[in-house]
Parts: sequence; structure tokens; C-alpha cells
Amino acid sequence: DVKVTQSSRYLVKRTGEKVFLECVQDMDHENMFWYRQDPGLGLRLIYFSYDVKMKEKGDIPEGYSVSREKKERFSLILESASTNQTSMYLCASSLSWTAYEQYFGPGTRLTVT
Amino acid sequence: AQRVTQPEKLLSVFKGAPVELKCNYSYSGSPELFWYVQYSRQRLQLLLRHISRESIKGFTADLNKGETSFHLKKPFAQEEDSAMYYCALSPQGGSEKLVFGKGTKLTVNP
Repeated sequence: DVKVTQSSRYLVKRTGEKVFLECVQDMDHENMFWYRQDPGLGLRLIYFSYDVKMKEKGDIPEGYSVSREKKERFSLILESASTNQTSMYLCASSLSWTAYEQYFGPGTRLTVT
Repeated sequence: AQRVTQPEKLLSVFKGAPVELKCNYSYSGSPELFWYVQYSRQRLQLLLRHISRESIKGFTADLNKGETSFHLKKPFAQEEDSAMYYCALSPQGGSEKLVFGKGTKLTVNP
């Protein structure tokens, strides 16, 4: 059973703070993804990674960066949090580039005040 | 550019009634299409993919390349089908990326 875990379910940060969101998967998946989920906007891809130390920008990378030092862990970093980054953040992983199913974590609801 | 359109943000039906969640896509090649579902307080999960041609929880979806559609259907809706549904596309030849629609919230009333 694939398990994708995220470090926090709820997080409250102040404007300008540096924020780290952590994601860990336990199934040796190659690909990992970060999305934000907003009502009426659906899921939007922020960044993804297909290998350790490799990353690709998604559709909305501005204001975010990522880190993948180990295969099982993918971190999303908000260098200077802003109120428009208040959102639900979802992490996902998939086995390989030909395995389309993505497995999602429970999400982190981030509020920036 | 790849795009997935779900024209209905909200859809409400009565238990036992047929339900159809619409999905249209824009892509020049032959994509892979999926439906993902998120039940209340649960994580997003794959419901079905067109390539497998299977029925999951009574739901089916047929890829219509002429109309570029992948509508999700169920003949008799159940209250437990109430959830958020997302249609997603993966470009031809496989890709790490999925392009998601904005989602349709389905409510099945008793």
C-alpha cells in the first residue's frame, strides 16, 4: 500500500516567513509532485521531480522552490510567504514516467497571515 | 497547449438518478485520460483511466476522440458518490505530468 505523508495537516505562518513543507513516500517512486488546490481553480502543478536532485517547473512556480536530496523526500519551500500563498498543498508521487497513476498525500492547509 | 475543461463546478442529483460529469479536453495528439476523486476528508485518489476500460464503483467513462470528451457516467447515483471529481490528461507517449481540470463537486441528495 503506497503511503505518501506530509509533515503537517495545518500550518499558520506570518507574511515574510520562510516555510518548509515536507513530503515523504515509502514506495521507491521516481516521480514526485507538488500541487496547490484552490476552490474553483482545481489542482495546479507547482514543481515536480523525476529523480534525486532533479526538478522541473510546473505551471505556477513563482514564489516557490523545491529540494529533493533523497529519493523518498520532496520539500516545497516558500522563501518569503505571502497571503496569496494561503492554500491547500498536495504532494503526490508516481512510480515512473510510464505509470500514470499519482498517489496523493493528505494535504497541508497553509494559512499565511 | 493541453487543457482540460469541466464545465460544471457543482452538480446535484437525487439518489437513484443517473449522473454524468462532463469533461472536455484540448490536445492535438492522443492523450491518456483519467478521473480522480476526493471524498470528504480523504486524499485524492484515482477512480478510473480510459485505457483500462473498467467500471469502478459503477462509474464508466468513454473516450470520444471526435468530440474530445471523457464524460463520467453512473446510471444510479448513491449518496456515497458525493465528492469532488477531477478529470485529468496525460500527453501522448506518457509523461510525468498530469493536467487537471478545475473539478466538479457532486452532491447526491437522499
